[in-house]
Amino acid sequence: KAGVTQTPRYLIKTRGQQVTLSCSPISGHRSVSWYQQTPGQGLQFLFEYFSETQRNKGNFPGRFSGRQFSNSRSEMNVSTLELGDSALYLCASRMGPSSYEQYFGPGTRLTVT
Amino acid sequence: AQSVTQLDSQVPVFEEAPVELRCNYSSSVSVYLFWYVQYPNQGLQLLLKYLSGSTLVKSINGFEAEFNKSQTSFHLRKPSVHISDTAEYFCAVSGRDDKIIFGKGTRLHILP
Repeated sequence: KAGVTQTPRYLIKTRGQQVTLSCSPISGHRSVSWYQQTPGQGLQFLFEYFSETQRNKGNFPGRFSGRQFSNSRSEMNVSTLELGDSALYLCASRMGPSSYEQYFGPGTRLTVT
Repeated sequence: AQSVTQLDSQVPVFEEAPVELRCNYSSSVSVYLFWYVQYPNQGLQLLLKYLSGSTLVKSINGFEAEFNKSQTSFHLRKPSVHISDTAEYFCAVSGRDDKIIFGKGTRLHILP
């Protein structure tokens, strides 16, 4: 079974631009979560989607948004990029909200200059 | 609300020596506990989990962790580390709201 895939793997953007990251979960998994990983803050939870609905949300500004499609694929969008948005963005999927085993993708490394 | 504290940001240890990575959690409800490992340039992989039952849980590569409710701890141990264990280790907790909260991670450096 294919694992969680994320595209692109690397991205360089300029301050003020916007970016869209994509995540394809493991087949059969309907829940997708997004995390921001930085050296100083570790993994910070952004949001979780299940059946195209946002279930949980972390403490991030409204510039960070996401959505999930009917095939469970998810996208994350960051508008008006700031230097501090440079990070590794990880996507994780699980069967559903009551399943505690999450499977992570390799991440998208975003650099904002 | 739950929280996770990993007291050590980095732990150096000689190859074949034992290691303990510490994890303490805070929660007012029953919790589920996890250790994840992240090898360089990769995503996170589930190493082991405690959901219920035996408080001592083990992974296939020699790691083990013990759930201690009175001390609210879930420390990760290995009796003899190998160079291939070099990675960052994350402790995580989940409760009734299904959110999974991660600690800030501990980098394990294996010294030759």
